Amino acid sequence: GQQVMQIPQYQHVQEGEDFTTYCNSSTTLSNIQWYKQRPGGHPVFLIQLVKSGEVKKQKRLTFQFGEAKKNSSLHITATQTTDVGTYFCAGRNDYKLSFGAGTTVTVRA
Amino acid sequence: DAGVTQSPTHLIKTRGQQVTLRCSPKSGHDTVSWYQQALGQGPQFIFQYYEEEERQRGNFPDRFSGHQFPNYSSELNVNALLLGDSALYLCASSLAPGQGSYNSPLHFGNGTRLTVT
Repeated sequence: GQQVMQIPQYQHVQEGEDFTTYCNSSTTLSNIQWYKQRPGGHPVFLIQLVKSGEVKKQKRLTFQFGEAKKNSSLHITATQTTDVGTYFCAGRNDYKLSFGAGTTVTVRA
Repeated sequence: DAGVTQSPTHLIKTRGQQVTLRCSPKSGHDTVSWYQQALGQGPQFIFQYYEEEERQRGNFPDRFSGHQFPNYSSELNVNALLLGDSALYLCASSLAPGQGSYNSPLHFGNGTRLTVT
């Protein structure tokens, strides 16, 4: 079955620095979604990518969908303390959305 | 406009017992998905309900069952609880997936924290 893998599992970032988290699927995806879960909270939808090679930006966050539609990345510039949380990618397989294990981000002020 | 609501927020059960968790979807949504999230892990898909039927199921045993009511609300039932069933159970609502590549995003509730002792 479909597997979605994310690296790194943990990302410790100095405030103001940039970082990237990566998502890889064992199968081609029709689309990929990204969610953010704050500590003690629930996953909140960030964005959906549908087209091969698609790039979308939300302020300091840049999301990219690979050409083969099997991988994706999230790049955050000038990290802030508000970026703390776990970022999940999720790929669709039939009706279900399969989540990766997430990248947990902590920020050093 | 109420979002997804789940009840109860916390629950403590002993091994072998049965539990029922409840979910009301966001207004206008007709599809409910249930996920299990163990500590430090990503949400794992249990099943999805649409038009009062289970449409797809993840890799969970038959001890996990569910129901969707005509008002789109849903229940998750777990029988013969095991210690390993301790987790955060998340309900997510959405609109039914269409034929194209775009999916209606999932809107999650705050979850039910189940502890099995």
